[in-house]
Amino acid sequence: QKEVEQNSGPLSVPEGAIASLNCTYSDRGSQSFFWYRQYSGKSPELIMSIYSNGDKEDGRFTAQLNKASQYVSLLIRDSQPSDSATYLCAVAKAAGNKLTFGGGTRVLVKP
Amino acid sequence: DAGITQSPRHKVTETGTPVTLRCHQTENHRYMYWYRQDPGHGLRLIHYSYGVKDTDKGEVSDGYSVSRSKTEDFLLTLESATSSQTSVYFCAISELAGPNYGYTFGSGTRLTVV
Repeated sequence: QKEVEQNSGPLSVPEGAIASLNCTYSDRGSQSFFWYRQYSGKSPELIMSIYSNGDKEDGRFTAQLNKASQYVSLLIRDSQPSDSATYLCAVAKAAGNKLTFGGGTRVLVKP
Repeated sequence: DAGITQSPRHKVTETGTPVTLRCHQTENHRYMYWYRQDPGHGLRLIHYSYGVKDTDKGEVSDGYSVSRSKTEDFLLTLESATSSQTSVYFCAISELAGPNYGYTFGSGTRLTVV
């Protein structure tokens, strides 16, 4: 079992719809959770972080964390073609700051 | 990416040769990391550093070594390159330790071992 798992996709959504991405993790000691966006051929860039159970909103993005069920999700509202990218879930364990990444979910937003 | 540069951006090398990749930061961040990214495996940690001359291994460290003699530079060396080390290598920096801080990534180095 991988430490951080994501559906590789592609997740195809029409423009203006909500894209819903999920991530599960295996280490119950994980404390911090991050979503990165990576365009093809580019480096990952941080878009959201969440540390407590519940929802966290930032613009069109909402991160949701459920530690009891060991999953974290990302919602992208009003999806735009520019949101087409691979979204990486990353988890930090209790000790130190090393991030463990999932394999990423590729999102395609179709006009 | 602002404050962090990787060199070279692309490199083709022959099997068995040593290769050194450089990560340079101007942010004075204490923590630096080397990851490799491969299809189907995502980003995997090779080595990381928590200060000058303080380094430790990640999950895929075999065949790699690192050095950090200055805060701003973190070097990754493939001691004897193999085709399995063909990958995209990313350097990342982080300002503080603890679980609540994400990384800033460099632009990556695409390495091909032939």
